[in-house]
Parts: sequence; structure tokens; C-alpha cells
Amino acid sequence: AQSVAQPEDQVNVAEGNPLTVKCTYSVSGNPYLFWYVQYPNRGLQFLLKYITGDNLVKGSYGFEAEFNKSQTSFHLKKPSALVSDSALYFCAVRDMDAGNNRKLIWGLGTSLAVNP
Amino acid sequence: NAGVTQTPKFQVLKTGQSMTLQCAQDMNHEYMSWYRQDPGMGLRLIHYSVGAGITDQGEVPNGYNVSRSTTEDFPLRLLSAAPSQTSVYFCASSQGGRSNQPQHFGDGTRLSIL
Repeated sequence: AQSVAQPEDQVNVAEGNPLTVKCTYSVSGNPYLFWYVQYPNRGLQFLLKYITGDNLVKGSYGFEAEFNKSQTSFHLKKPSALVSDSALYFCAVRDMDAGNNRKLIWGLGTSLAVNP
Repeated sequence: NAGVTQTPKFQVLKTGQSMTLQCAQDMNHEYMSWYRQDPGMGLRLIHYSVGAGITDQGEVPNGYNVSRSTTEDFPLRLLSAAPSQTSVYFCASSQGGRSNQPQHFGDGTRLSIL
């Protein structure tokens, strides 16, 4: 069965330190992978995606993610965290071999708190 | 540059009342969907549409109806509201025919059922 796991409900990091938000997935075919961010009282915003090609994907606001096929992971990273990065982060996967099934499988989200 | 617009932003209903949550997008996206977001449960897909005149059920469709008469609009109807439908509802759209395209979300409707 298709699934996405975000093993940490909350991540705390000091401003200026590197941050990592973890995501692992399970699909039967090849994955399309996405990261979204949700600020308080707002809808989700797209950050970045992995479709094919380079395993290191760069996205909005200085975020990047590394696709690791052997570990079935797609961890979100940023070299230097900002207080304004504090938000809820969602990982999502779509099985690209699932034909017309366009449903995204969502993780439960990770709350990132960046402390000044 | 409106993107996805949801109305209303907040609503309080009594059990048994009906209402329609509105969603409109101005990006000519074929694919639209409705999610509910509840604490600890992430996003759950209610209904989706791959184009005008075509709708299908997601993982939690009971108690909700949708229609898609135009590309732009995708309203969600609660026929008889129940307290279990208290949630934050998000509408999303994406470019049709390409499953590698990201979804664009509205800012949500916060619905309380008393």
C-alpha cells in the first residue's frame, strides 16, 4: 500500500542552525515527491518536488530536499534556519506508475519551530 | 493573480443545517479537489474532479456532495451538517493531465458544527 511517514511530529532548531525534516515513503512504482509548507491560518504552499533526474532538488525560500531511492526517503533541508521558517511541513507522494490515479498520499505533517 | 479562492473563511452551523463551501480558481486548471484537515490526521481527500462534468470520491466522501459545472468552480455541499464535520476545509487545483504538477491551495474554510 502507498504511504508516507513523517516520523517527527515536531522539530525544534535554533536560528542559524541547519534543519532537517524527515520523510519516508512507500509506493509500488516510481515516486513523484513533494514538499509543502503551511503557515498559520493559511493554505498549503508548494516548496519543491522530485520527479526525475538530480537527487538534490532546490526549492523556494532556500529549502532543498534529497531523494534517496535505496532508503525511500525525501528529507527536507535548509542550511541556516530562520524564525520565519516556523510552520507546518507536509511531505506527499504520488505513484507515477498508477495510471490516471492522481491522488496524492500525504504525510501527517511536521511542526517546525525555529527559536531565536 | 487570485489563484484559488475559498468562501466563506469562517462558518458556524447548527447540526442538521446545510451549506455550500465555495471554491473558484482562475488558472484554468482541470484538476480540483477538496480536503479536510483535522489535528493529528493530516489532509484527507473528500472529493475530486478531473474536469468539468466529472467528479469522483476520495477517502472520506460521506456527508458531502460536489459538482463541477465549469472549469473554474468546484463547490462542496454539506446536506445535513454533523459535529463530526467540524474541520478546516481546503480546496486545491492543479494543471490537468500531468501528475507531476503541484497543487495550489486556497486559504481554507474553518467550519464549526454545534
